[in-house]
Amino acid sequence: AQSVSQHNHHVILSEAASLELGCNYSYGGTVNLFWYVQYPGQHLQLLLKYFSGDPLVKGIKGFEAEFIKSKFSFNLRKPSVQWSDTAEYFCAVRAYAGNNRKLIWGLGTSLAVNP
Amino acid sequence: KAGVTQTPRYLIKTRGQQVTLSCSPISGHRSVSWYQQTPGQGLQFLFEYFSETQRNKGNFPGRFSGRQFSNSRSEMNVSTLELGDSALYLCASSLAGQGRGNTEAFFGQGTRLTVV
Repeated sequence: AQSVSQHNHHVILSEAASLELGCNYSYGGTVNLFWYVQYPGQHLQLLLKYFSGDPLVKGIKGFEAEFIKSKFSFNLRKPSVQWSDTAEYFCAVRAYAGNNRKLIWGLGTSLAVNP
Repeated sequence: KAGVTQTPRYLIKTRGQQVTLSCSPISGHRSVSWYQQTPGQGLQFLFEYFSETQRNKGNFPGRFSGRQFSNSRSEMNVSTLELGDSALYLCASSLAGQGRGNTEAFFGQGTRLTVV
């Protein structure tokens, strides 16, 4: 069965530190890849997405992610975090299996940035 | 363009009661998915509806059910509520399955259900 694994459940960083959140999925076919963010008290919103083309995608607020097909990974990065990046981050994969377009979610990573 | 609208935003119910939650997707979106979000459990997929048909289902008991109407609005019902059903219930709509490349899910604010 398809699955998504986020390696870090809780991350604590100081402002200006670099961030990398790991995401691996298990599915060998065509995928769309997403990172969503949920700021405290707010709804889930899209941070960035990959459908095809350049495997390095840039999202909002200085975030980027790289799709490495051979490693089934889609890690999220930001060179310098800010206090306002404190949030929950979710990796999601839409796997194309026949007519099935199921969106599969990781458990999320809680990021706390200390000022 | 209006986003995904969920009603009500907050709900308090007693154990054993039933509840119905509503979701209006973005105009033109035919796929509506429901999720349960609890601390430490992440997003648990309940089910997805597409053009009034349930297309995918998660591993929840039969007390959880849903439906979708011809205008793509969806409702989720939970019968015989248990304390453990207290959670944030999220609805998401997308163009997935409509032959278009963009399958991004757009989320509503959620309904916070508390069972006492």
